[in-house]
Amino acid sequence: QLQLQESGPGLVKPSETLSLTCTVSGGSISSSSYYWGWIRQPPGKGLEWIGSIYYSGSTYYNPSLKSRVTISVDTSKNQFSLKLSSVTAADTAVYYCARYIVRRGRWFDPWGQGTLVTVSS
Amino acid sequence: QSALTQPASVSGSPGQSITISCTGTSSDVGSYNLVSWYQQHPGKAPKLMIYEGSKRPSGVSNRFSGSKSGNTASLTISGLQAEDEADYYCCSYAGSHVVFGGGTKLTVL
Repeated sequence: QLQLQESGPGLVKPSETLSLTCTVSGGSISSSSYYWGWIRQPPGKGLEWIGSIYYSGSTYYNPSLKSRVTISVDTSKNQFSLKLSSVTAADTAVYYCARYIVRRGRWFDPWGQGTLVTVSS
Repeated sequence: QSALTQPASVSGSPGQSITISCTGTSSDVGSYNLVSWYQQHPGKAPKLMIYEGSKRPSGVSNRFSGSKSGNTASLTISGLQAEDEADYYCCSYAGSHVVFGGGTKLTVL
């Protein structure tokens, strides 16, 4: 059974870079049928797609965040990572990683449990 | 890129049916039959309920169904149960990116 687990600092200072890693277990990240995505959810608000990456390194990002986001993949560790630069309080959110199925349709499943990142000095 | 439009809240009594709408544009919902729906209970990660507009993953109750007409997708829950009370989000492929709805809080009265 595929599982995803987010990890990284729970507190980041304003103007610094938020860094998170998603570790995939129970399956290979190097599958042609999937992308791997990051989604966030500010407290009490809705879901926002951040971006997705293929095992080859091909990426696509939310246009509203593109200038600050970098998503990378490490197939040797079965992990992919998120970096969000120049963070402000508006970036405080629960950050989820998820598998994005692309073989026939487009959907996220499964999701990690999420990790809360607070931006504060 | 704008979020898909969902009603903020819907409610229904046990045993009744409710429908949640998800309105997009001809660039997302209207162009692709690639809408998915997610259920989220408080403090939990979202769970896939419908994909490709109307398909149910294994293990999801057949009380959940999805459909689409034009730029609007819909999620219908029949035979409401207390455990269905949650937030629901639609999501659509939009070419080079992905867009979510703002979410709908379902209250079971």
